[in-house]
Amino acid sequence: DTAVSQTPKYLVTQMGNDKSIKCEQNLGHDTMYWYKQDSKKFLKIMFSYNNKELIINETVPNRFSPKSPDKAHLNLHINSLELGDSAVYFCASSQMGGGEAFFGQGTRLTVV
Amino acid sequence: AQTVTQSQPEMSVQEAETVTLSCTYDTSENNYYLFWYKQPPSRQMILVIRQEAYKQQNATENRFSVNFQKAAKSFSLKISDSQLGDTAMYFCAPYTDKLIFGTGTRLQVFP
Repeated sequence: DTAVSQTPKYLVTQMGNDKSIKCEQNLGHDTMYWYKQDSKKFLKIMFSYNNKELIINETVPNRFSPKSPDKAHLNLHINSLELGDSAVYFCASSQMGGGEAFFGQGTRLTVV
Repeated sequence: AQTVTQSQPEMSVQEAETVTLSCTYDTSENNYYLFWYKQPPSRQMILVIRQEAYKQQNATENRFSVNFQKAAKSFSLKISDSQLGDTAMYFCAPYTDKLIFGTGTRLQVFP
């Protein structure tokens, strides 16, 4: 059973389109994250949710909108995609207070 | 602001040898956690080892151990008896109110 699963694994789309990435965790964790990994492998936190509430928003453009329908799901919707959005996006979950984060397999987004 | 520095962008080691990856961080918190993650070419993020800042004893996990120096805010990872499968990017990641990552060290293990 996959602990943190995100779909799709690969996403190729044209500039200006809108796309979503879905994430689900079955670990019973109360905190979920989105990270962006650029071409230099730098991992930057984008958002963090605790029990469906947004607790961290790291100055991400408002074209990125996370949504957490329940504490097991955290989806990422991106409007008006730009070339610079091309990256690998990771979803992760953990227990609030410092438990290790478990990661999904990543979604490689390519904007052409 | 919390910062993490991994000063070795790339390292290489021969199989069966020992290698140490360095990490320094900055935080004003007293209680926090520290992690090392590995990312092989498959791109999956895998937890290697965890350290609680309130514990003086250094964490050990099989061939992986850390040297945690709280006053110096240093958290290095030692890999003993290196194996080909250890080839990966290694990220140091402190957690205070959020988990942030260093820039990574690319480790290549040679036969």
